[in-house]
Amino acid sequence: LAKTTQPISMDSYEGQEVNITCSHNNIATNDYITWYQQFPSQGPRFIIQGYKTKVTNEVASLFIPADRKSSTLSLPRVSLSDTAVYYCLVGEWDTDKLIFGTGTRLQVFP
Amino acid sequence: KAGVTQTPRYLIKTRGQQVTLSCSPISGHRSVSWYQQTPGQGLQFLFEYFSETQRNKGNFPGRFSGRQFSNSRSEMNVSTLELGDSALYLCASSLTGPVNTEAFFGQGTRLTVV
Repeated sequence: LAKTTQPISMDSYEGQEVNITCSHNNIATNDYITWYQQFPSQGPRFIIQGYKTKVTNEVASLFIPADRKSSTLSLPRVSLSDTAVYYCLVGEWDTDKLIFGTGTRLQVFP
Repeated sequence: KAGVTQTPRYLIKTRGQQVTLSCSPISGHRSVSWYQQTPGQGLQFLFEYFSETQRNKGNFPGRFSGRQFSNSRSEMNVSTLELGDSALYLCASSLTGPVNTEAFFGQGTRLTVV
């Protein structure tokens, strides 16, 4: 069972780049790495998913080293609206379960 | 396109009662998974259904059950409610499963057991 470890909280200022690193030492060969964002009293929202190397979309980048034991979510130029909890997940391919960790609470200040 | 719809949004029940929550997935999605979110335990996987079959189940007691209908709509039921069942219950739909495709979450049902 691949678990994830990520910082409990992070602070940033508007316009800065934020990098949140997640550790998943027991990731299995077929597991994907996915990041979700959650605002209070709402369901999580998909941000980005990757298997290895680097993935980029319109809102974020995901960096995954060759050993895949960690990953880093990069949010360029954050704004106040990016204040949320960010979850790093390892999807278990063989069980089709999404295992949520404790999440990182990102606070963006003006 | 319409998102994932969960009903009701809020619910207050008494200990010992049972409750049924509903989830309507995005059209065309065949996988529906359920999660319980509490301040103490975070987001925990309950179960996942695909084409009316339960594929996976989390570590919850048998009081928690679910089902999926032929139109992919899903319900979860909790019997003999306990105070500790108070939580935000979220469902997520995806095309084939939540692991390798994007899962879309509903806004959840806030259940309060008194």
